[in-house]
Amino acid sequence: EAQVTQNPRYLITVTGKKLTVTCSQNMNHEYMSWYRQDPGLGLRQIYYSMNVEVTDKGDVPEGYKVSRKEKRNFPLILESPSPNQTSLYFCASSVRVGSGNTIYFGEGSWLTVV
Amino acid sequence: SQQGEEDPQALSIQEGENATMNCSYKTSINNLQWYRQNSGRGLVHLILIRSNEREKHSGRLRVTLDTSKKSSSLLITASRAADTASYFCATDSKYRDDKIIFGKGTRLHILP
Repeated sequence: EAQVTQNPRYLITVTGKKLTVTCSQNMNHEYMSWYRQDPGLGLRQIYYSMNVEVTDKGDVPEGYKVSRKEKRNFPLILESPSPNQTSLYFCASSVRVGSGNTIYFGEGSWLTVV
Repeated sequence: SQQGEEDPQALSIQEGENATMNCSYKTSINNLQWYRQNSGRGLVHLILIRSNEREKHSGRLRVTLDTSKKSSSLLITASRAADTASYFCATDSKYRDDKIIFGKGTRLHILP
């Protein structure tokens, strides 16, 4: 079954404690992306990757890091989380962006930073 | 600039009625897609319409695209309670092949 799997699904953490949200896809997709979703702001792109070892900033990259060492994995790293990073996070993947390719989303990770 | 602004932001209708949502965008596109999101879950692809198409159908869904007005509409016919969700349009720019932008979504609530 085609899947984008992200973990953890729910996390409460404290300010400044580094955390990693993992994302894995089993569709051999080249393109992967992280979004955050906040009320009234819709989906905002954090970082994206067009392929292995290729990553680029999205619209709201501050406070986040990513890496793409393998095609299937695209972890999101919060080096020093702050309360304004409390949000619902989605990982997504696609064969490649554009050309009308379907984007597949994970189920989301609810992150609370206190 | 923001692509894909849905209208209305929220919509409540009776079960069985038709629901229409609109999406406007600012720059020329290659494709426009509609996605659905059940509360707190991941988005799921519904339908794609390409810039050279004017209308597409899929089951109870009908999508139109007017490139001269830079707008699209999603019609859900004979709505059901299970259609309650948020609906997003997503566009990919004619000028950038690394970007797909989602709108803020329309929250649809189907009343029993």
